[in-house]
Order: sequence, then structure tokens, then C-alpha cells
Amino acid sequence: KQEVTQIPAALSVPEGENLVLNCSFTDSAIYNLQWFRQDPGKGLTSLLLIQSSQREQTSGRLNASLDKSSGRSTLYIAASQPGDSATYLCAVNTGNQFYFGTGTSLTVIP
Amino acid sequence: GAVVSQHPSRVICKSGTSVKIECRSLDFQATTMFWYRQFPKQSLMLMATSNEGSKATYEQGVEKDKFLINHASLTLSTLTVTSAHPEDSSFYICSARDASRVGAFFGQGTRLTVV
Repeated sequence: KQEVTQIPAALSVPEGENLVLNCSFTDSAIYNLQWFRQDPGKGLTSLLLIQSSQREQTSGRLNASLDKSSGRSTLYIAASQPGDSATYLCAVNTGNQFYFGTGTSLTVIP
Repeated sequence: GAVVSQHPSRVICKSGTSVKIECRSLDFQATTMFWYRQFPKQSLMLMATSNEGSKATYEQGVEKDKFLINHASLTLSTLTVTSAHPEDSSFYICSARDASRVGAFFGQGTRLTVV
């Protein structure tokens, strides 16, 4: 069974810092991996999608990497802003099911 | 941790028929449930948000008469795809949250294939 782990569970940084969120999964047989943002009381917002054949995706200040063989993905956020404060989730799609991590709660302090 | 059960995990149906997908929160009361879908090679997209006892709020571009959402109790929400067509074939996933917890908990999804 696929297990997805996110570290750290919570992170607090001052505004302007670069930061890295980590996601690891136990079974490398994945279809794709997706990073989401969730604001309190809201649904998920998709940030980046990485297909299993890709190693990296970038969108603005966000960069996600995927190392399928080692079962790891990272989400890099450059020059963090208070508006980046949210919970960040990674999800692994095996083609049949989604497996979600428990999330990293990020707080960016002005 | 909280458990959200989604059923069925896979379903194949004929074009023109309706399909119902259930989402249950097993050990907590879900005041809000979210329904998502993902087309092949695309991101997971929010379809609608439902609060128990209220009408669902649909995202732009989602037909509310085609995707019927019922959230009649604090532990069950259903999504009915009416008059399904092959273009409705997708992966549907629900998530649920309650007022006392941070974040939402997810079902493992339903792969719908319309033939």
C-alpha cells in the first residue's frame, strides 16, 4: 500500500525566506504527483502537477521536483510572502487511487 | 486519523445512464464536503463545495443539473452523474472536513468510465 509522508508538519518562517517542503512516498509506481494548497475552510488549489516521466515543474516562485526512484518530491518556495501561509499537500496518483500526505502547515511571518 | 470512505472505487457505465458516488466520513461529522475531478494528465479540479443541509456551491463551468450533489447528513454526501457521456469519464474524489479539525480528509477516489 502506498504511504505518503510530508515533513515538516508545520513550518514558520519570516517573510522573504526561501523554503523547501518535503514529500516522500513508499511505492515508486506512480502515475503523477501533485502539490496542492489549502486555505482554511477552502477546498484544494492545485499548484503543480508532475508526470511520472518528468523531474521538475515550475510556476512563478514555486518549483517542484520529483525523484521517483527514491520516492521523493520537494516543493521549493522562493521569497516567501505572508499570502503563502496555508497548508500544502502532496498527492500521489497511482492511476487507480490518490494517496495524500497529511500536509505541511506553513506560516509566513510579516 | 479521520477516515473518509468513498464508494465505489471504480465504475463502468453505459452512456446515458446515471451513476451515484458516495462519500462517507466514518469517525467524524463532516460539516463541509468537497468534490473534485481529474481528467487524464490534468490537475485535480474542484467541482463543488457542499455544507450539510444546504445546496452545493458549484465552481464555474460545472453543470449543477448534471452533477447532482446531496449532503443530507453530517456523514454522507453523494455525487450523481446524470445522463453520463464518455466525456464524463474521469477520476472523482471527495474530501470532508469538520469544524473542529484543521484541514480536510480525502477519499481515495472513484474512477468512472462511460462507454
